[in-house]
Amino acid sequence: LAKTTQPISMDSYEGQEVNITCSHNNIATNDYITWYQQFPSQGPRFIIQGYKTKVTNEVASLFIPADRKSSTLSLPRVSLSDTAVYYCLVGVSRGSTLGRLYFGRGTQLTVWP
Amino acid sequence: SAVISQKPSRDICQRGTSLTIQCQVDSQVTMMFWYRQQPGQSLTLIATANQGSEATYESGFVIDKFPISRPNLTFSTLTVSNMSPEDSSIYLCSVKQGANNEQFFGPGTRLTVL
Repeated sequence: LAKTTQPISMDSYEGQEVNITCSHNNIATNDYITWYQQFPSQGPRFIIQGYKTKVTNEVASLFIPADRKSSTLSLPRVSLSDTAVYYCLVGVSRGSTLGRLYFGRGTQLTVWP
Repeated sequence: SAVISQKPSRDICQRGTSLTIQCQVDSQVTMMFWYRQQPGQSLTLIATANQGSEATYESGFVIDKFPISRPNLTFSTLTVSNMSPEDSSIYLCSVKQGANNEQFFGPGTRLTVL
């Protein structure tokens, strides 16, 4: 399993763009990169997944360089409600019937007014 | 998305006792998982609950300590046996569901062992 490394914590202010970078130096050819968000007292929920280049949805963007050894989750114009722990996972596609999700330490994002 | 409920939502137990946590899903799912999240830590996968067969446990977790049942495609239980304070955690049920096999998580059961 590819190990991931993320900052333990980050701080931001409302309205700013937040970029959280994750390192995964030994990512395998078939691995996808997936980000989950977890609020206190709740289970994690899926944010975005990508394989290479850039993926964008209504919540975030995911940037993956050509070597795929890192990825960056970008949250545009964060609000107080974006305060959460963000997990970077590397493994099989979320659409796969195989595979289990293995979580790393995550990044605690705190958004200040 | 799958709607997952867990019972109890929280409990405080004495060491040496056992607690069974229930996970109910609003639709049939093939794969169900149990995770543990210790205070201030990330999630750790305990096991995959297989319908009609024994659960598949991850390294460091054993059936005697965490027996799992999966009687049908919408329900599973996890028992935390002979509890000690080190078992104090949030236990989360998770499922894969839908055409895209997305993975969803339940709200968790907060267990405190005294």
